[in-house]
Amino acid sequence: EAQVTQNPRYLITVTGKKLTVTCSQNMNHEYMSWYRQDPGLGLRQIYYSMNVEVTDKGDVPEGYKVSRKEKRNFPLILESPSPNQTSLYFCASSIGTGRDTQYFGPGTRLTVL
Amino acid sequence: GNSVTQMEGPVTLSEEAFLTINCTYTATGYPSLFWYVQYPGEGLQLLLKATKADDKGSNKGFEATYRKETTSFHLEKGSVQVSDSAVYFCALNAIQGAQKLVFGQGTRLTINP
Repeated sequence: EAQVTQNPRYLITVTGKKLTVTCSQNMNHEYMSWYRQDPGLGLRQIYYSMNVEVTDKGDVPEGYKVSRKEKRNFPLILESPSPNQTSLYFCASSIGTGRDTQYFGPGTRLTVL
Repeated sequence: GNSVTQMEGPVTLSEEAFLTINCTYTATGYPSLFWYVQYPGEGLQLLLKATKADDKGSNKGFEATYRKETTSFHLEKGSVQVSDSAVYFCALNAIQGAQKLVFGQGTRLTINP
């Protein structure tokens, strides 16, 4: 089954404790993105990647890192999480850009205390 | 910059009612327009899309027409069902060669039997 998977689905952590949220897709897509969803704000793009070793900032990249060492994986790294990073995070992938459909993972709900 | 404005929610309707969720956008160039739906506890799924002016996207009884003259992409359905209860997001991608969706804030729809 074609899908985007994320782990963990739920995470509660404390300020300053480094964490990684994994994302993997099995559709051989070139493009991958991370978004955060906050009430009243919709989804905002954090980072995206056009291919292996090629990444770029989205609209809200501060406090986040990403890497793309393999085509299928695109982990999101929070080196020193803060409470304002408490949010619902979605990974997405697409075969191309512009008019192409993005396929979303199930989401990771992160709480930073 | 690019932006999407959606009808404020929540919206509550009775089964078989007519649905309209308004969406207007601001963008440079010729964006592609999307409606995504988020069912409870799930990630976003593409509902429909339109990639050029006057195109009509349709799926599962939902329709939306790309109106360049009014910069709008309103979502409509003639007869809603309880199973349509979800959060609906309007989005655009204005940058060819980049995977950069800009979302509206989302509209929560509840359908009562």
